[in-house]
Parts: sequence; C-alpha cells; structure tokens
Amino acid sequence: RKEVEQDPGPFNVPEGATVAFNCTYSNSASQSFFWYRQDCRKEPKLLMSVYSSGNEDGRFTAQLNRASQYISLLIRDSKLSDSATYLCVVNADSWGKLQFGAGTQVVVTP
Amino acid sequence: EPEVTQTPSHQVTQMGQEVILRCVPISNHLYFYWYRQILGQKVEFLVSFYNNEISEKSEIFDDQFSVERPDGSNFTLKIRSTKLEDSAMYFCASSVDRDTEAFFGQGTRLTVV
Repeated sequence: RKEVEQDPGPFNVPEGATVAFNCTYSNSASQSFFWYRQDCRKEPKLLMSVYSSGNEDGRFTAQLNRASQYISLLIRDSKLSDSATYLCVVNADSWGKLQFGAGTQVVVTP
Repeated sequence: EPEVTQTPSHQVTQMGQEVILRCVPISNHLYFYWYRQILGQKVEFLVSFYNNEISEKSEIFDDQFSVERPDGSNFTLKIRSTKLEDSAMYFCASSVDRDTEAFFGQGTRLTVV
C-alpha cells in the first residue's frame, strides 16, 4: 500500500463550481497533515494545515478522519487560478520527514 | 515575507562531476530538509538536519550525498559523483519545529548529461 495515496485526476471543474477530493495515508501514527499546491515545475506551496476538528481558510476546507485515515480538501467557488496539482502531505515521523502523495490535478475551466 | 532561497536555479553537469546545491533557510527555522522530485514523479524525502547533524535520511541519500551547514545561514547539498539518474528538481525546505509546516525554496533543477 502506498504511504500517501491520491486520485491523480484531472478534475475538470467549471469556474465557480465546487470540487472535493481525498487522500488516504497508511501510517496511523502520523500526527501532522497538510495540503500543498504545486504549479507546473514549481515548488510545493503550503495551502493549509489540516487539524483534527477540520478547518477552513476562505474558499478551502480541509477535513481529517483519523479512524479511516483519510484527509479531504474542498474548494468552493473555483477560480481559474486554482488550477494546479494539490499535494496531500503527511508528517511521517518525529524528525519532520514529510511524505507526499503524487498529487491531484485540478483544472478550472471558464 | 521570509522565504527559503536556493541557488542556482538550474545546473547542468557532466556525469561523474561533483555539484553543490545551496540553500538559505528562513532565519528563525531550526529544521532543514532536502527533497527531490524527478520529472513526472512525486516529491521524495532525502534528508533532515537539526542541531548541526543529520536526524534522518532516506535510502536515496547514499554515500554520494552529504549535507552541511557551513555558517549560520547556508545549508548545502553535495553530490560527489553525479549519475544520470540524479537529474531532478531539488527542493530545500525549513520549518520552525519538526511537526509544523515546512516552507520550500523554488528549487534547483539539476540536469546530469
């Protein structure tokens, strides 16, 4: 089983629509979870941390389900600028090592 | 806004040559990392560094790789004898603490020919 697994997409989303996707992780001892976005050939940029109670940042909502070991991201009112690859990232151990999923591609169309 | 900076942005080297990739982490961060991303693949962990020593390294980080923090600001990754399969984007990252968000530099694209 992959350590962090994501649906690669692409998710083709009309501008203004809502899109949601998940990732699953294998290490039940993981404590920290993040969503990063990555534009083509650029560095991963932190989108948001994911907390147990779920959290929201503007149009973005992240949820964590520890029992089922999955993390979700929801984007409301999609903008063209939201087109990117969204990386699910899990802090794998006590030394800060991050495990990355392969990413979910989102394409927002006019 | 503080950011991680990396130089050079692109390096082309011949197989067997040594390369040094440089990074300046965010100044108040204590944990430093190198990751790499081969084109079309996911980001992979190479090494973490804390308190002037390696805290963890992956299987990729073999004897050909080394890291150093030569002064109070720079953090370098050295590859002693590059191979074709070392061609990738190398990202430096830093974080305040080991379970907080890590911030990434813009990367160095290494091409081994």
